[in-house]
Amino acid sequence: NAGVTQTPKFQVLKTGQSMTLQCAQDMNHNSMYWYRQDPGMGLRLIYYSASEGTTDKGEVPNGYNVSRLNKREFSLRLESAAPSQTSVYFCASSARGLGETQYFGPGTRLLVL
Amino acid sequence: DQQVKQNSPSLSVQEGRISILNCDYTNSMFDYFLWYKKYPAEGPTFLISISSIKDKNEDGRFTVFLNKSAKHLSLHIVPSQPGDSAVYFCAASANTGGFKTIFGAGTRLFVKA
Repeated sequence: NAGVTQTPKFQVLKTGQSMTLQCAQDMNHNSMYWYRQDPGMGLRLIYYSASEGTTDKGEVPNGYNVSRLNKREFSLRLESAAPSQTSVYFCASSARGLGETQYFGPGTRLLVL
Repeated sequence: DQQVKQNSPSLSVQEGRISILNCDYTNSMFDYFLWYKKYPAEGPTFLISISSIKDKNEDGRFTVFLNKSAKHLSLHIVPSQPGDSAVYFCAASANTGGFKTIFGAGTRLFVKA
């Protein structure tokens, strides 16, 4: 049981490049989330998917897109990376939905030059 | 506008003593509160939670207290151990439609041996 896995662990991009962060969970959870963590800001919700086939914006969605590929996988795409998107990105899942205990992946550290 | 505030960025405590981490919130609609613990290079992990219908929840060395009138909660760790050194995030949520879990900025706890 791996829980929540994320790839890659670390990535360096140049401004304007695109990339997709991958996330998968093996706990049969319905809901999945993408957060970013910046110093002094805590965790801020980018997008979430309450169930397979649905996605919704969180607090800071601009510059990102998501795909809930199936129940297990939830990807985050940066179409044109900007230095302001330098951050640590965490994927999380929960059994049913918002407000529940969430299980987090190990994070992806992204540096945009 | 930070709805969940952890005003102490860091806290240093001697091993065996009590650690008290504080959290304030502004939105009276929050009805569920959680604490997460995060080690470097790992994702946050759930520690303990409390519903707004309670004022205390205990799990081993960890106790969370909720003061709804003051919109304040605290996490007590007794006795503190060096392995407790980590960043602790307070989070709050409301189980009404469309509300997200809001995280505080975190408090870094150092437990000295």
